Amino acid sequence: QVQLQESGPGLVKPSQTLSLTCSVSGDSVATGTNFWHWIRQPAGKGLEWIGRIYSRGGTDYNPSLNSRISISLDTSNNQFSLRLTSATAADTAIYFCARTDITIFGVIEDWGQGTRVTVSS
Amino acid sequence: EIVLTQSPGTLSLSPGDRATLSCRASQNVASSYLGWYQQRPGQAPRLLIYGTSSRATGIPDRFSGSGSGTDFTLTISRLEPEDFAVYYCQQYGLSPPMYTFGQGTKLQIK
Repeated sequence: QVQLQESGPGLVKPSQTLSLTCSVSGDSVATGTNFWHWIRQPAGKGLEWIGRIYSRGGTDYNPSLNSRISISLDTSNNQFSLRLTSATAADTAIYFCARTDITIFGVIEDWGQGTRVTVSS
Repeated sequence: EIVLTQSPGTLSLSPGDRATLSCRASQNVASSYLGWYQQRPGQAPRLLIYGTSSRATGIPDRFSGSGSGTDFTLTISRLEPEDFAVYYCQQYGLSPPMYTFGQGTKLQIK
């Protein structure tokens, strides 16, 4: 069973870059059969998909965030990361990392517990 | 972009009741790309259904999904206390590749 754990600063200043890391156990981020995702959820609101990276490095991003986000793999540490530039209060949310097997790539299978990020001065 | 609208916003039922949750899409959704999630307070979402009607690993058979085109349904046959939560539908679009979620249905104890 794959396990995912988000980590990163809980507080980010406006206009700075929000950076989060997802540590993966029980599977390898380099295995060519997975998509690795970031999703976020403002407090009391719904879910917003941010983007994904394929084990071989290809990425897809939410068009509404495309110009500000990048997702990368760190195969040596079995992690993947999110960078979101020019953060604003609207980026305050719980951020989840997640995984999908390529055979059912239309949904999101395994989720981390989430990490709360607040954008505030 | 396809918009998913879930109804009702809140559903009040009792343990043992049957729950029917609706998800309507603004355009046709391929059945292979429709899923349902459960989210309990303070927890991450959990995948229940993929491909409209296939249960994810470990999901009890009281959960079932159905539908096609623009109308999809999640049915919980007999509610258990742990089923009271928020439920989200989700679709996957190919161009551009993107996952979108409905706004959620809160299932609460009557």
